[in-house]
Amino acid sequence: ETGVTQTPRHLVMGMTNKKSLKCEQHLGHNAMYWYKQSAKKPLELMFVYSLEERVENNSVPSRFSPECPNSSHLFLHLHTLQPEDSALYLCASSQDFLRGQYNEQFFGPGTRLTVL
Amino acid sequence: KNEVEQSPQNLTAQEGEFITINCSYSVGISALHWLQQHPGGGIVSLFMLSSGKKKHGRLIATINIQEKHSSLHITASHPRDSAVYICAVVGNEKLTFGTGTRLTIIP
Repeated sequence: ETGVTQTPRHLVMGMTNKKSLKCEQHLGHNAMYWYKQSAKKPLELMFVYSLEERVENNSVPSRFSPECPNSSHLFLHLHTLQPEDSALYLCASSQDFLRGQYNEQFFGPGTRLTVL
Repeated sequence: KNEVEQSPQNLTAQEGEFITINCSYSVGISALHWLQQHPGGGIVSLFMLSSGKKKHGRLIATINIQEKHSSLHITASHPRDSAVYICAVVGNEKLTFGTGTRLTIIP
């Protein structure tokens, strides 16, 4: 495997379910990101981890819970989601995190989430 | 109102044409990114710039800090350039994205 991988690629869940999205990077990077992309809306940065510590949390509802157990893996735990949370969830990584610049990021293919 | 505005929203052109996509922003920034998103969702980072101009192959990105404006140019466009092009700015240490320009190149 190379680059940034995400699983699953597609997920359908009910509002009472608990599920997790997984991201893995094989680039030796130190920073990882979660993004949300809703239809007809700009990309939204959700969370940033640098060296396994959360450094950005952009007013994301608590029903989204990130976890970064090591610099290669990033999870997004989902529980009691709403239909408006249906979107494409993208993971990215970068060599380092520079708050004033946001270094070049390498993106995964995304997980298409549908909440019924 | 989004802090980052892109124009046009949609652009269709013939193969070989010179393409310009524009990005305007309303805040002081420390960096600007251009990204390419292909059908299916995959995103590729094209450029990061804070001044002047950068070139990579047939792609050229320019930025005018005083006018708060950046352009992405594609020379000798090809159908494989068909994608959504997204501008993102870093202002007050916050990353904000435009809604993207959907480019279609017809053979």
